[in-house]
Formats: sequence, C-alpha cells, structure tokens
Amino acid sequence: RKEVEQDPGPFNVPEGATVAFNCTYSNSASQSFFWYRQDCRKEPKLLMSVYSSGNEDGRFTAQLNRASQYISLLIRDSKLSDSATYLCVVNMILEGGSYIPTFGRGTSLIVHP
Amino acid sequence: EPEVTQTPSHQVTQMGQEVILRCVPISNHLYFYWYRQILGQKVEFLVSFYNNEISEKSEIFDDQFSVERPDGSNFTLKIRSTKLEDSAMYFCASSEANQAVQYFGPGTRLTVL
Repeated sequence: RKEVEQDPGPFNVPEGATVAFNCTYSNSASQSFFWYRQDCRKEPKLLMSVYSSGNEDGRFTAQLNRASQYISLLIRDSKLSDSATYLCVVNMILEGGSYIPTFGRGTSLIVHP
Repeated sequence: EPEVTQTPSHQVTQMGQEVILRCVPISNHLYFYWYRQILGQKVEFLVSFYNNEISEKSEIFDDQFSVERPDGSNFTLKIRSTKLEDSAMYFCASSEANQAVQYFGPGTRLTVL
C-alpha cells in the first residue's frame, strides 16, 4: 500500500516561533512533492513545490531527503495567519509509470498571540 | 488570476439519486482531477483525466462514478445511486502538465440524506 504519513499535531506555537513538519512516503520511485495548506472547510492551496536541492520561499523552507523518503517544511517567524492544516502531497508512481497524487492526513498548526 | 470554479457549492440529495458535479478547469490546463474529502479525513484521489480519457482511478472510483468533458471547458463528475457514505466535499483540480502543481476549485459539499 502506497502511503504518505504525517504527524497530525496540533502544533501549538506562539507568534514568532519556528516550527517544522515532516512527512514520510512509502514509494521510493516518487518524483514530485508538494506542500499545500488547507484552511477549515476550504480547498487545498499550494504553498510550495519541493525540489531535490531544497527550496525557500520567504519564511518557508522545504527539504527533500530521498534516501530516508521524507520531506520537511520549516516555517520561520510564525504569524497568526499561518494557522492552518499543512498537507504533504506525493505523486506516487505506479507500475507502468503513471501516478496517483497521494495526500497525507495533514498537520494542524495553531499560532497564538 | 485564473482559477478553477465548481458548481454547485452545496448539493443536497436523497439516497439513491444521481448527482452531477461540475467543474471548469483553468483554460490552458490539460490534466484534470477529482478528489473527495470526508469531513475530518484526508483528501482522497478519485480520478485523473487527460486527452479525453481517464488516466488513473482509485479503488473508490467504481462503477457508481463517471467523468466526462462534455465540451471544451467543463469537467463533470457523475455519481449514480448515491449512498449516505458519499456525503463529502468533492474537489476538482487541474494542472498544466503531467505531475505539475495542481490548482483546486472551492469544492462542492455533497450531502446525501
């Protein structure tokens, strides 16, 4: 069974804190990785793609570790508006080369004043 | 900024009835997807669609479900003989290229009574 696993949290942090989430995936052939955020009862919205060399977008940094099959998201200087559920998404490669986008259950972040 | 749209935002139906959920993907996108999210659970892949045919489908996407691109802009999900357990949020998404970033519509909340 091809799975994506995340710690559901919640992570409860004060404004200004740095917080990190991990996500592990089971299929070593997977090629595309993403972090989305989802607010309550809303659609997932892309936060950032995850590249092999790691990438940064403002306060957000994503890393990929292929050997250990996990990706991470680091949020620096947390804002109240960062409160949301963070979804790890992995395009799981199937036999024959096609893929199924597979979501983790999400990690809940609560940033408090 | 172009966006994916979905109608209706909320659909209430009786068990055993058929529903059609509608989506308008971003106009230059070529890959289309349907997902469902049962309240409190993770986003689950249903089906992907490219070049007027299904690319992949999950175990959930059985004979009760079908998809269609009836014209150049709409992408529909039909659920026949709805069951109580079909109650969920259904998200449509589209992407420009294979395994690329997906953009989600706001979802249709389906309630089966």
